[in-house]
Amino acid sequence: GAGVSQSPSNKVTEKGKDVELRCDPISGHTALYWYRQSLGQGLEFLIYFQGNSAPDKSGLPSDRFSAERTGGSVSTLTIQRTQQEDSAVYLCASSPHSGTTEQYFGPGTRLTVT
Amino acid sequence: GESVGLHLPTLSVQEGDNSIINCAYSNSASDYFIWYKQESGKGPQFIIDIRSNMDKRQGQRVTVLLNKTVKHLSLQIAATQPGDSAVYFCAEIRMGSNYKLTFGKGTLLTVNP
Repeated sequence: GAGVSQSPSNKVTEKGKDVELRCDPISGHTALYWYRQSLGQGLEFLIYFQGNSAPDKSGLPSDRFSAERTGGSVSTLTIQRTQQEDSAVYLCASSPHSGTTEQYFGPGTRLTVT
Repeated sequence: GESVGLHLPTLSVQEGDNSIINCAYSNSASDYFIWYKQESGKGPQFIIDIRSNMDKRQGQRVTVLLNKTVKHLSLQIAATQPGDSAVYFCAEIRMGSNYKLTFGKGTLLTVNP
């Protein structure tokens, strides 16, 4: 079956522009997670969804970051007024529910802000 | 604050040798500890987890050890193969309503043929 997919795979944008990153989780997975990975660094937890709700938004770096999930499936991460420090790989993962340890990761979206 | 970190950023081993990757953590409230493998250009892949009330768990060619006294976690890979070359991350999970998964910075494992 299909794994987690993300689009676009690469995005180059100018500072100040808005970007929207998309995540398609594994079918049937109710939990969805967003992470950010800077070059040579570990993964920084951003937000997770259980169904359409996001119990914890504390990981979002600033109010320029937002995420939504509709229909319990696809999720979008939006970054407004992008800054150069937003450049990173944004990874999405899903799991059957939030009570599991195993998350299935997508390939990520590499965002470059020039 | 909470943190999960690694003792060594790189590890180089010969094919067939055993590898040991270490990790230190600071949050005693974690429910599980996990190891992930990340190959270049790919997302992390789950390897094995261990519940916080356990000391050892074995998988296929991998063993995870948890020492809660010194807050230390290790991943042992037996008979390391070239395909094991990757960055390995330890992570901790806090379950429940305040669910959170925190990753360490990663160790680059290189297996020499």
